[in-house]
Amino acid sequence: DTEVTQTPKHLVMGMTNKKSLKCEQHMGHRAMYWYKQKAKKPPELMFVYSYEKLSINESVPSRFSPECPNSSLLNLHLHALQPEDSALYLCASSHALAGAYNEQFFGPGTRLTVL
Amino acid sequence: AQKITQTQPGMFVQEKEAVTLDCTYDTSDQSYGLFWYKQPSSGEMIFLIYQGSYDEQNATEGRYSLNFQKARKSANLVISASQLGDSAMYFCAMSADSWGKLQFGAGTQVVVTP
Repeated sequence: DTEVTQTPKHLVMGMTNKKSLKCEQHMGHRAMYWYKQKAKKPPELMFVYSYEKLSINESVPSRFSPECPNSSLLNLHLHALQPEDSALYLCASSHALAGAYNEQFFGPGTRLTVL
Repeated sequence: AQKITQTQPGMFVQEKEAVTLDCTYDTSDQSYGLFWYKQPSSGEMIFLIYQGSYDEQNATEGRYSLNFQKARKSANLVISASQLGDSAMYFCAMSADSWGKLQFGAGTQVVVTP
């Protein structure tokens, strides 16, 4: 299985809602990533987990809360988002932390719209 | 600081022609990796090809080849025999052992015409 899956594909939420994005991989990878991508822009790194521990937090607002319950699963909990948070959210995984030799494999993304 | 530059915002290419996408980078790390990803309009980032900084041969994967010129700090992607399905955004990216993350360029939008 060489796939990263993400659910849901699309999500529309109000500014007072609480929702979660889910990412799963069964490649035995020990590093997982969340990215945010606006239209026609490159992905921006949000969080990195290595061996289920938060390794990098790119100064993301606290309304985004990541969670890594086990080595295959990565969640992103959303609360009190703003319309400017509307974007494509991509999950990725790699054998170990991104480095000179570790390519990242991406999921299909969740398109989030905040009303 | 590390930086990836893609100077071509968009390109048109005819079907069956070859196309070269430019990528230059800047880093003080000696050990780093260069990656190319394709992103169709559906959104998924598809890994295409990898080149390590110590690899002496240019990487190839099917119709994709990477023209690596280390002294010039460039890592151009060549797509041979373009197909309509190659229409997508293409991102060059770099990572190094000391960073733990991938640095992306701004991307190049490729449109393949019949």
